[in-house]
Amino acid sequence: QVQLVQSGAEVKKPGASVKVSCKASGYTITDYYMHWVRQAPGQGLEWMGRINPSDGTTTYAQMFQGRVTLTRDTSTSTVYMELSSLRSEDTAVFYCARDYDTNMDVWGKGTTVTVSS
Amino acid sequence: EIVLTQSPATLSLSPGERATLSCRASQSVSGYLAWYQQKPGQAPRLLLYDASNRATGIPARFSGSESGTDFTLTISSLEPEDFAVYYCQQRFTFGPGTKVDIK
Repeated sequence: QVQLVQSGAEVKKPGASVKVSCKASGYTITDYYMHWVRQAPGQGLEWMGRINPSDGTTTYAQMFQGRVTLTRDTSTSTVYMELSSLRSEDTAVFYCARDYDTNMDVWGKGTTVTVSS
Repeated sequence: EIVLTQSPATLSLSPGERATLSCRASQSVSGYLAWYQQKPGQAPRLLLYDASNRATGIPARFSGSESGTDFTLTISSLEPEDFAVYYCQQRFTFGPGTKVDIK
C-alpha cells in the first residue's frame, strides 16, 4: 500500500539545522509532488513547500524562504526537508504529504522537532 | 494570496447530530478546495477534494458543497469517531480549522 515513513524525533539547539526524511513506498515517487507541512503545538497546519521529485524543482512558502531546503533521492524514494537557523518557534511536528492534484492524499505520521537550549 | 476563513472555531454537538462547517475563500478558487480531518496525535486525513468528492474510504455521511467562494462540509449524523479538528485547504493555504467536540 502507499505509505510515507518519516524519520524519528529530533532535539536541536537554537541556531542549528534539522534534516527530516520521508521515504515513499507503494508508488513511484517521481509521479507525484511532495509537500511539507508544519504544525506547532496546539496550532493549525502551515504549508512549507513542495518538491517535484522527478526533476527536483521546488516551491517554498514565503515565510520559510531562505531557511528551508527540500531535496530528493530517487534511488531510495526519499525526500528530505532541511530547516536551518532553528528557533524555539520551530518546535513542531513536520509532515510530508503526497500531492494529488493540489490536494494532499497520503500523509506521513509526522516528525517531532524540539528546539531547546 | 488566498486567505481561507473557517467558522465556527468550535462546534459542540452530540453524537447523531448534524454538523455544518464553513470555509470562505478570499477570492475565487474555482471549486478547488479540500477538507481534512485531524484527530489528536494523528496526521491529517483527506476527506473531500474539489469541494464535494469523497476521498477513498470516506463514509457517505461526509459531504461537501460550494456556493461561489463559500464552501460547506456537512457530517449528516455524527459518529463518536468524527469528533476532531477539520481544516479546509486550497493549494498552498490552509484554513485555521474548526474543532468539533462533544457537547
